[in-house]
Amino acid sequence: DTEVTQTPKHLVMGMTNKKSLKCEQHMGHRAMYWYKQKAKKPPELMFVYSYEKLSINESVPSRFSPECPNSSLLNLHLHALQPEDSALYLCASSQGMGPTLFGPGTRLTVL
Amino acid sequence: AQSVTQPDIHITVSEGASLELRCNYSYGATPYLFWYVQSPGQGLQLLLKYFSGDTLVQGIKGFEAEFKRSQSSFNLRKPSVHWSDAAEYFCAVAPISSGSARQLTFGSGTQLTVLP
Repeated sequence: DTEVTQTPKHLVMGMTNKKSLKCEQHMGHRAMYWYKQKAKKPPELMFVYSYEKLSINESVPSRFSPECPNSSLLNLHLHALQPEDSALYLCASSQGMGPTLFGPGTRLTVL
Repeated sequence: AQSVTQPDIHITVSEGASLELRCNYSYGATPYLFWYVQSPGQGLQLLLKYFSGDTLVQGIKGFEAEFKRSQSSFNLRKPSVHWSDAAEYFCAVAPISSGSARQLTFGSGTQLTVLP
């Protein structure tokens, strides 16, 4: 298995909802990432997990809460989001000198 | 601070024509270098990477890139473009590190349009 998978593919939520994005990889990668991408822009790094520990938080608002239950899974818990949080959320993983590989993304719309 | 510049926001080529997408970086030392492609609504697919060694790197889908240290450039090329190559292309760099995690710095992207 040489890919990163993400669920759901699309998510529509209200500003009072709580939802979670899920990411999974079975390549043995020990670093996992969450990126946010707005239309016509490059991805922006949100969080980095290294060996299941949060190593980088790029000043992301607390309404985004990451979780790494084990070395293969990465979650992003969403609560009280704003319409400007609508974006494509990308998960990625890497290991050692290997490249960073991205999942297909979750298209999030906040109403 | 590190930065990546993709000077061309939008490039249009005819199908069958050659293609070169430019990427310049500013970094303290030679970093890891990547090219990714993104079709509309999709994730990023890795085209190729440069870590060390041969400065001409072959990738998937017939793409290649040449690392030029003296010019701090890592330009992407393809000899004959196909209509399916129409997409957004991102150049990215990351510091060389023995650690597991790395932070990618992306260029702003180049949108490629292919004319029939």
